[in-house]
Amino acid sequence: DAKTTQPNSMESNEEEPVHLPCNHSTISGTDYIHWYRQLPSQGPEYVIHGLTSNVNNRMASLAIAEDRKSSTLILHRATLRDAAVYYCIPIQGAQKLVFGQGTRLTINP
Amino acid sequence: DAGVTQSPTHLIKTRGQQVTLRCSPISGHKSVSWYQQVLGQGPQFIFQYYEKEERGRGNFPDRFSARQFPNYSSELNVNALLLGDSALYLCASSFQGYYEQYFGPGTRLTVT
Repeated sequence: DAKTTQPNSMESNEEEPVHLPCNHSTISGTDYIHWYRQLPSQGPEYVIHGLTSNVNNRMASLAIAEDRKSSTLILHRATLRDAAVYYCIPIQGAQKLVFGQGTRLTINP
Repeated sequence: DAGVTQSPTHLIKTRGQQVTLRCSPISGHKSVSWYQQVLGQGPQFIFQYYEKEERGRGNFPDRFSARQFPNYSSELNVNALLLGDSALYLCASSFQGYYEQYFGPGTRLTVT
């Protein structure tokens, strides 16, 4: 399993962009980079995933470094509902999700 | 569409007892995974089932067992409960066991 390093916590203001970094320097060539988030008192929620190219969906954007050793989850306009713990998870195919400590994101009104 | 459902929502058991937790996947999803989340930590993988067969097992003792039924629902059983088994137990389903997993709200187990 690839090791990941994420900041323990980050803080941002409502309606501002948020950039959540993740270092995964031991990632293998076939690992997809997945991001999940867990809102308070809920199960984790899939956010986005990618392999090499940057990816966008209705929730967020994923920017992947050219060497794939790091990635950044981008929330373009944070809302209070985006306050959660964000997990970066390299995973190959149908393998189990290995959650680290994640980044606790606080959004200020 | 209904999401992943889990029952019960909360459960209190005594040390040494046995517990069964239940999970119904999203319609059409054939893969179910179980995770344990201790307070303050990320979820830890316990089991994955696909088409009623065990496809993966995490680093948990044999007191933990699971099965998947023909309708793809699943049960997680824990025998001889310990205080350390107190946690949120999460079930996730996915289509053909690939990529994004969809999690239920979890069952909060308290062992006293």
